[in-house]
Amino acid sequence: ETGVTQSPTHLIKTRGQQVTLRCSSQSGHNTVSWYQQALGQGPQFIFQYYREEENGRGNFPPRFSGLQFPNYSSELNVNALELDDSALYLCASSFGGATYNSPLHFGNGTRLTVT
Amino acid sequence: DQQVKQNSPSLSVQEGRISILNCDYTNSMFDYFLWYKKYPAEGPTFLISISSIKDKNEDGRFTVFLNKSAKHLSLHIVPSQPGDSAVYFCAATFTSGTYKYIFGTGTRLKVLA
Repeated sequence: ETGVTQSPTHLIKTRGQQVTLRCSSQSGHNTVSWYQQALGQGPQFIFQYYREEENGRGNFPPRFSGLQFPNYSSELNVNALELDDSALYLCASSFGGATYNSPLHFGNGTRLTVT
Repeated sequence: DQQVKQNSPSLSVQEGRISILNCDYTNSMFDYFLWYKKYPAEGPTFLISISSIKDKNEDGRFTVFLNKSAKHLSLHIVPSQPGDSAVYFCAATFTSGTYKYIFGTGTRLKVLA
């Protein structure tokens, strides 16, 4: 069973730039969620994708956007990077859509540093 | 508005003893609770969960207790082992038509050999 994989592991960007983070779901999972974990905080929900559509969104501005592909892999795009976007970005997959909860399985994350 | 709180940032326990990690929540509509463990440079790993219709769930050395009236849950690890040293996050969610977990800020557990 292949777990959730994320790329890249680390990334350094300059304020104002754009970034794309990638995630491959665990096999058998059809739902992908993205979380942001700032230093000393718990993960904060960004959004979830199910059947290639956004299925819910947390308190993040529109410059955070995503995609889910037919193979259930996903991308997180962040435009106009700000210093406060520096964080660990976690991708999680699960089986189920909007009305079914199963434990999220997380990848190891992408550490984004914005300078 | 921090709906899920872990008020102890850190905890040290002797190997072989019991570790008790606590979590409080404010939203009485939460009906599914989880604990995750996180090692440095790794993502959170699911540990154990509990539905609001139960007050206890066990899995090996790990037991989660839920007190709905107090809006409090706890994770007991018995006996504690050095490999349990990690950051533990509690999370809460709704099982009816929702999609996001609300995480606490974590408790760093150190098990001393």
